[in-house]
Amino acid sequence: EPEVTQTPSHQVTQMGQEVILRCVPISNHLYFYWYRQILGQKVEFLVSFYNNEISEKSEIFDDQFSVERPDGSNFTLKIRSTKLEDSAMYFCASSPFSGGAYEQYFGPGTRLTVT
Amino acid sequence: AQSVAQPEDQVNVAEGNPLTVKCTYSVSGNPYLFWYVQYPNRGLQFLLKYITGDNLVKGSYGFEAEFNKSQTSFHLKKPSALVSDSALYFCAVRANTGGFKTIFGAGTRLFVKA
Repeated sequence: EPEVTQTPSHQVTQMGQEVILRCVPISNHLYFYWYRQILGQKVEFLVSFYNNEISEKSEIFDDQFSVERPDGSNFTLKIRSTKLEDSAMYFCASSPFSGGAYEQYFGPGTRLTVT
Repeated sequence: AQSVAQPEDQVNVAEGNPLTVKCTYSVSGNPYLFWYVQYPNRGLQFLLKYITGDNLVKGSYGFEAEFNKSQTSFHLKKPSALVSDSALYFCAVRANTGGFKTIFGAGTRLFVKA
């Protein structure tokens, strides 16, 4: 069964450094998402992406965040200057169709630790 | 604003007994409701969803959920719990107003004792 994959599984970085988290969505999916989960807290929506542009973003997704689909398979989340509070598990998700009726398929996550 | 509440941080049940994990929601318009499960060191896995129609929806691994519009609830149920059901369960909602944003509850940890 096709799966969403994410790399790396764990990233440690120093405050102020840039990080890029990578995701490979399921191949025939068209809609892509990033979520984060701070340890012990709820899963929070960051951004959705379709047709090479952001469809919706949350208040968390400020100017230090950006997303890109650099080729036909990868979907990346860049954090320009990491802060301690960016430490979290970051999940990528994809779905084949538009609209709220369709479930999302999640990757296993990247644990980001900012020191 | 959309919101989801899972009032129980943890639910404990003995294997073979029925289980219920509670969820209530608040959304403008008619909701799309989802349950996801998260096992340790894994991403969220889709269990089931309510879009329209029959209020009782059936999903993976023998789980089902009942949509109750008057109580704005979408409780997850299973008639007979298994030890392997022990995991973190998330209720989620999307408004059917065209947005892509999914709002998750805080999660409920289910422990099934043998």
